[in-house]
Amino acid sequence: DGGITQSPKYLFRKEGQNVTLSCEQNLNHDAMYWYRQDPGQGLRLIYYSQIVNDFQKGDIAEGYSVSREKKESFPLTVTSAQKNPTAFYLCASKPAGDGYTFGSGTRLTVV
Amino acid sequence: GENVEQHPSTLSVQEGDSAVIKCTYSDSASNYFPWYKQELGKRPQLIIDIRSNVGEKKDQRIAVTLNKTAKHFSLHITETQPEDSAVYFCEENAGGTSYGKLTFGQGTILTVHP
Repeated sequence: DGGITQSPKYLFRKEGQNVTLSCEQNLNHDAMYWYRQDPGQGLRLIYYSQIVNDFQKGDIAEGYSVSREKKESFPLTVTSAQKNPTAFYLCASKPAGDGYTFGSGTRLTVV
Repeated sequence: GENVEQHPSTLSVQEGDSAVIKCTYSDSASNYFPWYKQELGKRPQLIIDIRSNVGEKKDQRIAVTLNKTAKHFSLHITETQPEDSAVYFCEENAGGTSYGKLTFGQGTILTVHP
């Protein structure tokens, strides 16, 4: 996946359950991002991190949490507080002043 | 990066025609302008980019033009083919100052009819 790996590819969540989406990169990029994409829609920023042990809320952070304990890893947890989590989740990384490299995405469905 | 407006939201062309998508930005500090292509169900991938020190860049059938005075940049696809059908996103980027800002355009759904 061009140096950035997301897993799983498909994920099913039951009502009231927390789930964690994995994102790992070996591109040595400082910044990592999580975007949500709904069918036929654009990209909405959930959280981002510019450096290890630091992260910032994006436009739609409610119901999500992240951690950045290692430069290579930026997992996203979808909590039970997120009432409409069904979507396509994209992780990305980028160096300053350059373009994004995206992972292949995780498709999350509530069952 | 601040707001970036992308038009049109949908574009339908016949195979062999040209397609043009335009983005307008507001941040004078922006100096890097990539375009991404997202095929159905897949991740966005960077297809071409331009920096502020040039006005045009070409790569085979695709090109990007930049007008810094007017603060807009455009993606041009010539001799379109059905496999060009996808969603295209622009981005504007001011380097280190743009981390975390929503710098993508809203996307253009391009459909190329055989």
